[in-house]
Amino acid sequence: TQLLEQSPQFLSIQEGENLTVYCNSSSVFSSLQWYRQEPGEGPVLLVTVVTGGEVKKLKRLTFQFGDARKDSSLHITAAQPGDTGLYLCAGVKDSNYQLIWGAGTKLIIKP
Amino acid sequence: NAGVTQTPKFQVLKTGQSMTLQCAQDMNHEYMSWYRQDPGMGLRLIHYSVGAGITDQGEVPNGYNVSRSTTEDFPLRLLSAAPSQTSVYFCASGRGGRTGELFFGEGSRLTVL
Repeated sequence: TQLLEQSPQFLSIQEGENLTVYCNSSSVFSSLQWYRQEPGEGPVLLVTVVTGGEVKKLKRLTFQFGDARKDSSLHITAAQPGDTGLYLCAGVKDSNYQLIWGAGTKLIIKP
Repeated sequence: NAGVTQTPKFQVLKTGQSMTLQCAQDMNHEYMSWYRQDPGMGLRLIHYSVGAGITDQGEVPNGYNVSRSTTEDFPLRLLSAAPSQTSVYFCASGRGGRTGELFFGEGSRLTVL
């Protein structure tokens, strides 16, 4: 059962365009993490959002946690080829250790 | 700083063979886990451990065994490989908690013929 729905599954855009990736659930999470994975490597943490409504910025990437802590979004401004990768969201529920993973968004930025 | 080290990076098995994927971390993390990653399905938890001597099943444990005799090591054993176990396997460790980050190895690509 996929508790975290990510959309879109695949996105291919030109350099310089903006994009948003969504991570939605009917469940409440105590926090939500975003990871980026490049081919042949393991995922690497980008950011963790904890408070409902929280917004965090990482250079051209903006992450938002929904007010009800059920959803999150990742917005990239002026995408660069270096942003290419698989973006994964993961929610932390009531357990201290277990993450619930989205299926991922494969992003390709064309020069 | 080695982080999480997985071996081997690539492996080809025949159906019915057994093997062990090795995982070691040097960050003194309590939590260690094994995931498999298949196209379009994200990361699925196989087994995890919250400390030496403690292991538990994840979402897809069938056909796999684990043990945690030390804090550093968490090997994954495939008992009798099947083509359905063809996948990329990731070991991850972390401190746990509400904001606990997971640190991943580089992955082990397994093909079962």
